[in-house]
Amino acid sequence: ETGVTQTPRHLVMGMTNKKSLKCEQHLGHNAMYWYKQSAKKPLELMFVYSLEERVENNSVPSRFSPECPNSSHLFLHLHTLQPEDSALYLCASSQRGGNRAKNIQYFGAGTRLSVL
Amino acid sequence: AQTVTQSQPEMSVQEAETVTLSCTYDTSENNYYLFWYKQPPSRQMILVIRQEAYKQQNATENRFSVNFQKAAKSFSLKISDSQLGDTAMYFCAFANFGNEKLTFGTGTRLTIIP
Repeated sequence: ETGVTQTPRHLVMGMTNKKSLKCEQHLGHNAMYWYKQSAKKPLELMFVYSLEERVENNSVPSRFSPECPNSSHLFLHLHTLQPEDSALYLCASSQRGGNRAKNIQYFGAGTRLSVL
Repeated sequence: AQTVTQSQPEMSVQEAETVTLSCTYDTSENNYYLFWYKQPPSRQMILVIRQEAYKQQNATENRFSVNFQKAAKSFSLKISDSQLGDTAMYFCAFANFGNEKLTFGTGTRLTIIP
């Protein structure tokens, strides 16, 4: 079992659909992240949650709505997406602060999203 | 803002040979971390090696080592005795000390040829 699990692995949705991506971490970390990975572009940080509070939102369109109900779970709610939103969405977790902090993020295998 | 540049989009090497992947970065900070992540076809980003900027000694992890040149802002990854399982995208990444926000390069696709 990997430390960070993402579901679903693949998702195809129309522009009028509403769907959610789920991420779960089993590492006891206190911070979670959403990244967007598009072809030939660096990974783009979308959101950061630390101790279940959103601490960073990198000018992401409102059609992406994150939710962090507890330190182990992170969701990305999607609605009225555009074809250019098609990408691999990666979730990561890390331990912020304290003796365990080593600035290391652990990633899930991502959700491949296709918007038609 | 920090930037990370990987100038080799693709590389290939024969199995058992040594290969070096390049990475340069730009920052005005003095304390930071550098990383190499590997992303195989399974898509999961896996940490390969990590370097703390205040440490002069180059990090090593088994067959993986780095050449960290702080003044030149260069952070290359050397893979020795390459194996077929090393085939993957390799990403160089930067993080400021005390801030886990990662800045990634565009990656190098490495293929190990049998």
